[in-house]
Formats: sequence, C-alpha cells, structure tokens
Amino acid sequence: QKEVEQDPGPLSVPEGAIVSLNCTYSNSAFQYFMWYRQYSRKGPELLMYTYSSGNKEDGRFTAQVDKSSKYISLFIRDSQPSDSATYLCAMNTNAGKSTFGDGTTLTVKP
Amino acid sequence: DAGVIQSPRHEVTEMGQEVTLRCKPISGHDYLFWYRQTMMRGLELLIYFNNNVPIDDSGMPEDRFSAKMPNASFSTLKIQPSEPRDSAVYFCASSLGRGDRGDEQFFGPGTRLTVL
Repeated sequence: QKEVEQDPGPLSVPEGAIVSLNCTYSNSAFQYFMWYRQYSRKGPELLMYTYSSGNKEDGRFTAQVDKSSKYISLFIRDSQPSDSATYLCAMNTNAGKSTFGDGTTLTVKP
Repeated sequence: DAGVIQSPRHEVTEMGQEVTLRCKPISGHDYLFWYRQTMMRGLELLIYFNNNVPIDDSGMPEDRFSAKMPNASFSTLKIQPSEPRDSAVYFCASSLGRGDRGDEQFFGPGTRLTVL
C-alpha cells in the first residue's frame, strides 16, 4: 500500500462549481502538507502549503488538514476553466524529500 | 534565476541505445530530485541528492539507471540500455531543504523520452 493515496479522478465540473480534492496517508510523522498544480506538458508548481492540522485559505483555494484522520483536502471555490490541471498532494516529515500522490486531473467546463 | 533547466526537452531513441538526461538546478538549492511520470504510475521519485551526495536511490528501477551530480550546478540521469518501458516524462526538481514552505520543490519543464 502506498504511503499517500489520492482520489484518482478524473473530475469534470461546470464553471463556478466547488471542487473537492482529497488525499489520505499512513505515515503519522508527516508534518508538512502541500498541493501542487500541474498544467499539461509542464512541471508541477506549488499551490498551497500547510504545516500540521488546520485550514489555510488563499483566494479561491482552501487547504484543510486533519491529522487525526490522516486526511487532507483542497477546495476550489468558483472554479474557472483556468483551474483545469492535474493536482498532486505531497507531504513530508522535514527537510528533504516529499511523498507525492498520483494526482487528480480536473477539467472545468465553461 | 531561470529556474530548473533540463535538456533535452524531447528525446526519441531506439531500444538498446544509451540516453543521458541533464539538469541544472536553481543556484543555492541544496537538494536535487529526479522523478519519472507516467499515466499508469504517476510521479515516481527515482533518486535525490543533498549537497551533491546521493541520499536515496531506492526508486531507481534497475541497474540500467544511474545518476550523478558532479557539482552543485549539474546532474545527469543515464539509462543504458534503454527499453520501450522507459518511455515517460522525466522531471528534475530542486529545493532549498530548509523547511520553508514545506521544502517547496521547483520542477524543471521535463524531458519527454520515447524509446522505440
């Protein structure tokens, strides 16, 4: 079993919808939780970063971490066609390597 | 800074040939990572370096794969001999490795490898 499991998708939603992307993990030592966004034929880029449990909001994006359930989520409000991309969750214990989920591909239709 | 630079961007080769992928990390970054991405297997970490020293190569699929980092500004990933199942996008990434922003990794544009 993988350390990080991500809802596989793909996900297709109409413009303006609320999107929920989710990952579960098994390593209780993970402290940093990240979401990367990857556009087609590009490398991933960091979108959101949280440390430990709680919520973090940045514009239309909210990252949520529940360490007791080993569950993280990314919510996108008022989704736009420009949000169409693959979203990868990632997490690590401290400085060094991150463990990535397999990614969820999102399409937002105008 | 120009970001992480990878070359070539595309590589088409025949089975059995040697392939060398190159990476220049962001100046000042202490960590360098090599990943492989496919539809079937997602993003796989192959190997990573800290201060030019390989730390974990457990993701390297087999002896046909090797990676080096002779100095802080250059790394190579070599496949010899290449096989069709090696076809994938290979990403190089670098990070400061100091805990800020979860150790944000900056990815290069990738090398799209096709082995015929």
